[in-house]
Amino acid sequence: DADVTQTPRNRITKTGKRIMLECSQTKGHDRMYWYRQDPGLGLRLIYYSFDVKDINKGEISDGYSVSRQAQAKFSLSLESAIPNQTALYFCATSAVAGGTDTQYFGPGTRLTVL
Amino acid sequence: AQSVTQLDSQVPVFEEAPVELRCNYSSSVSVYLFWYVQYPNQGLQLLLKYLSGSTLVKGINGFEAEFNKSQTSFHLRKPSVHISDTAEYFCAVSPWGAGNMLTFGGGTRLMVKP
Repeated sequence: DADVTQTPRNRITKTGKRIMLECSQTKGHDRMYWYRQDPGLGLRLIYYSFDVKDINKGEISDGYSVSRQAQAKFSLSLESAIPNQTALYFCATSAVAGGTDTQYFGPGTRLTVL
Repeated sequence: AQSVTQLDSQVPVFEEAPVELRCNYSSSVSVYLFWYVQYPNQGLQLLLKYLSGSTLVKGINGFEAEFNKSQTSFHLRKPSVHISDTAEYFCAVSPWGAGNMLTFGGGTRLMVKP
């Protein structure tokens, strides 16, 4: 979905490096999410933000941090990357709703940690 | 807590044949149910969702799914698949009243052969 963009699309880094993945959206949604996808495990929630001042840990937040710079921008950081953080990372957005709203996903960032 | 099980990690099928992708869930509360599709090198997009009402839900691209509360299942079906349906399919649930928090299954890779 072109309304949700992620940069970079691919990144190779080394163990111990700090890396930031960025997400921007033009959908005007308040809610933003970061997931990681691993084969056979589906998508797992890392962090989510219901608005600029509301950031929450998801299922697998250890080793990650986030920043919500504006309504439209939500960044994910790996403070000290390790090989088991090699995965496909997705950002998603949704409007404020009671659980019925569709989440719209970006194209993903493929991260490899050597 | 919720969990979602997609019983088949891969489903090979010939073009124009019918297909069923199975999804079972576990939850202590009522949930909304979703199917997302991920085409190669793309993000996820919504295929269909069940919120309430008729248990047979129709989605895009000729897919439909049936919610069975007693069996806690939400299987996805298509009567005749095309090569272009080759993708990974994810079942997900979101608890009522918990915001828009999705729990995903591990995914099923549908491989349509000519």
